[in-house]
Amino acid sequence: GAVVSQHPSRVICKSGTSVKIECRSLDFQATTMFWYRQFPKQSLMLMATSNEGSKATYEQGVEKDKFLINHASLTLSTLTVTSAHPEDSSFYICSARASPSRDNNTFGSGTRLTVV
Amino acid sequence: DAKTTQPTSMDCAEGRAANLPCNHSTISGNEYVYWYRQIHSQGPQYIIHGLKNNETNEMASLIITEDRKSSTLILPHATLRDTAVYYCIVRSRGGATNKLIFGTGTLLAVQP
Repeated sequence: GAVVSQHPSRVICKSGTSVKIECRSLDFQATTMFWYRQFPKQSLMLMATSNEGSKATYEQGVEKDKFLINHASLTLSTLTVTSAHPEDSSFYICSARASPSRDNNTFGSGTRLTVV
Repeated sequence: DAKTTQPTSMDCAEGRAANLPCNHSTISGNEYVYWYRQIHSQGPQYIIHGLKNNETNEMASLIITEDRKSSTLILPHATLRDTAVYYCIVRSRGGATNKLIFGTGTLLAVQP
């Protein structure tokens, strides 16, 4: 079945630094990937839609200059949290759909970001 | 996308069937009902989806009312590993860019 790998699973960084999170589709090509953020005891919030070879589409209220998304190939999308602050500490999850004909989205295992 | 309403939490005894309800009274004709679950600190996992007919797979059954305004996810023999937050989502099927918008979900606690 479709597998999405996310790396790293956990990261701790200092305030003011940047952190890159990778999302890879292991056995399929994904022209579109999705990035979510989840705070403790809350639901997943869609941040942006990552499109291969073009600019990401951000949801309302998400700062595109703070959360940089790059989707340079059909199997890799990256999310960079720039100038991280403690309030950016969260669980970041990516998702992809194997093909338009496949009915379900596959999710990565998530990245726990802690900014100290 | 149509919104869904789910109970905040439910308990179920281990080995018994877990029935999780979902209301989606504003669902449109081309929208499917999807169910995902999220075990603590993991990414969501796809369970099942359907349009209007009842569906069954190795994980669960999905019962959709005739008017499609509500549905029930059934885990036939709940185990402790089924403890998770279950999300009911409605979405049109086509297009790779179709977003999944998550509501608050139901926290199912399976009790020993």
